[in-house]
Amino acid sequence: GAVVSQHPSRVICKSGTSVKIECRSLDFQATTMFWYRQFPKQSLMLMATSNEGSKATYEQGVEKDKFLINHASLTLSTLTVTSAHPEDSSFYICSASGGASNEKLFFGSGTQLSVL
Amino acid sequence: GIQVEQSPPDLILQEGANSTLRCNFSDSVNNLQWFHQNPWGQLINLFYIPSGTKQNGRLSATTVATERYSLLYISSSQTTDSGVYFCALLSGTYKYIFGTGTRLKVLA
Repeated sequence: GAVVSQHPSRVICKSGTSVKIECRSLDFQATTMFWYRQFPKQSLMLMATSNEGSKATYEQGVEKDKFLINHASLTLSTLTVTSAHPEDSSFYICSASGGASNEKLFFGSGTQLSVL
Repeated sequence: GIQVEQSPPDLILQEGANSTLRCNFSDSVNNLQWFHQNPWGQLINLFYIPSGTKQNGRLSATTVATERYSLLYISSSQTTDSGVYFCALLSGTYKYIFGTGTRLKVLA
C-alpha cells in the first residue's frame, strides 16, 4: 500500500513558539492531503483539506492564521502551528489520497504536540 | 453535515470471541473505509468498501449503502486486535468524515 511519512512523531515546545509538522507521500503523488486533529479518546476531526498549488480549505472553527498549511508539491504538505498555546496540545495526523487508489486514504503516523 | 455513529462505543472481548461493529451514517456517501488505530496512534486501512462484502483473513466487512450502514466482523479475536476502530465516509464535498469509533479491548 501507499506510504505516508509524517514527522516529527513527538514535539514538546514552549508556549508562544511555532511548530512545523511535515507530511510526505513516499511512493505516490498525493493530489489531496488532509489534516486531522485528535484529542484523547475522541475521534479524528478534520481541520483542513489541501490541494497541491492552491490554498487550503479550512473547516469551520479552525483558525487559518493559526494553523498554516502549505502544499507546495504533490508529495509534501506542512502544517505550522503558530504561537502555540497549551490548548493546542493534541495528536495531529495527516493523510493523503492519490495515485492508483485515488479515493483511498493513507495516514501518516501522527505527531503528538505538547505545549508547555 | 453528515453524521456518522458507531456502536458499540466500547467493547471488551475474551480472546477467541467474535464481534460485530456497526457504522450508521445519515446521508448517501461515495465511499467508505474502515480503519484500525493501534495503541500508538497509527491508523491502518482495513477495508475500502463503498458497497458489498469483502473479507481479509479474520476480518470481513459489509456495506449496505441504500440502508446507510456498514458492519465490520472480527472473528477469533486476538489481543493484537485491541485498539480503536473507525469508519470514515467520503462525503459529497470530497471530505472524509470519521465516525465516533469503537474502542476494543481483547483480553488474553
